[in-house]
Amino acid sequence: NAGVTQTPKFQVLKTGQSMTLQCAQDMNHNSMYWYRQDPGMGLRLIYYSASEGTTDKGEVPNGYNVSRLNKREFSLRLESAAPSQTSVYFCASRLPGTNTGELFFGEGSRLTVL
Amino acid sequence: AQSVAQPEDQVNVAEGNPLTVKCTYSVSGNPYLFWYVQYPNRGLQFLLKYITGDNLVKGSYGFEAEFNKSQTSFHLKKPSALVSDSALYFCAVRDPFYNQGGKLIFGQGTELSVKP
Repeated sequence: NAGVTQTPKFQVLKTGQSMTLQCAQDMNHNSMYWYRQDPGMGLRLIYYSASEGTTDKGEVPNGYNVSRLNKREFSLRLESAAPSQTSVYFCASRLPGTNTGELFFGEGSRLTVL
Repeated sequence: AQSVAQPEDQVNVAEGNPLTVKCTYSVSGNPYLFWYVQYPNRGLQFLLKYITGDNLVKGSYGFEAEFNKSQTSFHLKKPSALVSDSALYFCAVRDPFYNQGGKLIFGQGTELSVKP
């Protein structure tokens, strides 16, 4: 059981380049999330998808777009990368049926924007 | 505004001693509280949660947490620390504003270091 899988694990971009972070889960979860982790700031929610076909903004959505391709996959796109987007990005999914279920996280994608 | 605070950036403990990692919260309505652990270069792993019921919650790897409503705290504890417990610990609370999304608000994290 792979859980939540993120690709790529590492990426270096130049300012202005675009890229897409991929996330897939095999646990049949409805809700999926993208967080960014920065030192001393914990995790901040970028976007989330409560169910297939829906997406909503979190705390820090500017500069990002998302696509919930199907129930398994939730991608995060940076259209024009900026140095402020240097971070570690985590995808997560949540058990269905309750808002109190815990999140399951991927291993993270470490992005550096030069 | 809903928030979570972890007042200590780092906690140092000797192996075999009890450990406490502190967390306080501010949220409207009933708090749903979580603890996660992150080992180096890994994703976050769920440890335990408080939804309702007993104030003392037991979780994975021998950890427990005590919910204190009057002090708005949810401190993580373990009776006897292990070197392998060294990691980054996050407290989180469900944001009641995002009722359909089950969104969590995370604290800034506390680095636990357990020395032999």
